[in-house]
Amino acid sequence: GDSVTQMEGPVTLSEEAFLTINCTYTATGYPSLFWYVQYPGEGLQLLLKATKADDKGSNKGFEATYRKETTSFHLEKGSVQVSDSAVYFCAENSGAGSYQLTFGKGTKLSVIP
Amino acid sequence: EPEVTQTPSHQVTQMGQEVILRCVPISNHLYFYWYRQILGQKVEFLVSFYNNEISEKSEIFDDQFSVERPDGSNFTLKIRSTKLEDSAMYFCASSGLGRVNQPQHFGDGTRLSIL
Repeated sequence: GDSVTQMEGPVTLSEEAFLTINCTYTATGYPSLFWYVQYPGEGLQLLLKATKADDKGSNKGFEATYRKETTSFHLEKGSVQVSDSAVYFCAENSGAGSYQLTFGKGTKLSVIP
Repeated sequence: EPEVTQTPSHQVTQMGQEVILRCVPISNHLYFYWYRQILGQKVEFLVSFYNNEISEKSEIFDDQFSVERPDGSNFTLKIRSTKLEDSAMYFCASSGLGRVNQPQHFGDGTRLSIL
């Protein structure tokens, strides 16, 4: 079946550092791609999404570009803050009549002052 | 902003007992889902529900699981005879009508601990 692979964590960065969390997917065709974030003690929140090739999703300073040629959807932020400390999940929905999301394992980010 | 709410936040149950996890999806949403996350592992899809019936389910969702929308607001997951390996965080989600790529909105989860 389809799968999503994210870079292993945990990732520890200093405040204002540049963040990249890699994500690749295996679904064929044109899946929809998502990043979800889980803050400590909370549920999954949609961070951003992209539904077609070359789309860029963005929210709260985070960006990710749907790259069909490399089957990737890497998450980036130019300057992280302590409040960005959370677990980040990449997910895809393959479409074709299916509504289920397939998630990556999650990457824990810790930002230190 | 409307949100998905789940109760209880933590459920402790003896092995072999039945448990019901409850969810109130966003009011104008029509698609409902359950996912689970065993500690340290991926979030896994269990089941989706639309128009009062299951539209899709995974291999995990075997005969011990069932879902129900008993009224206009609640969506429940029942595990009939719990096993130790059912211990996990269970997330409910909902999404609106429209194209399949409508984002799913998640609740804060119910942590289920089987003793």
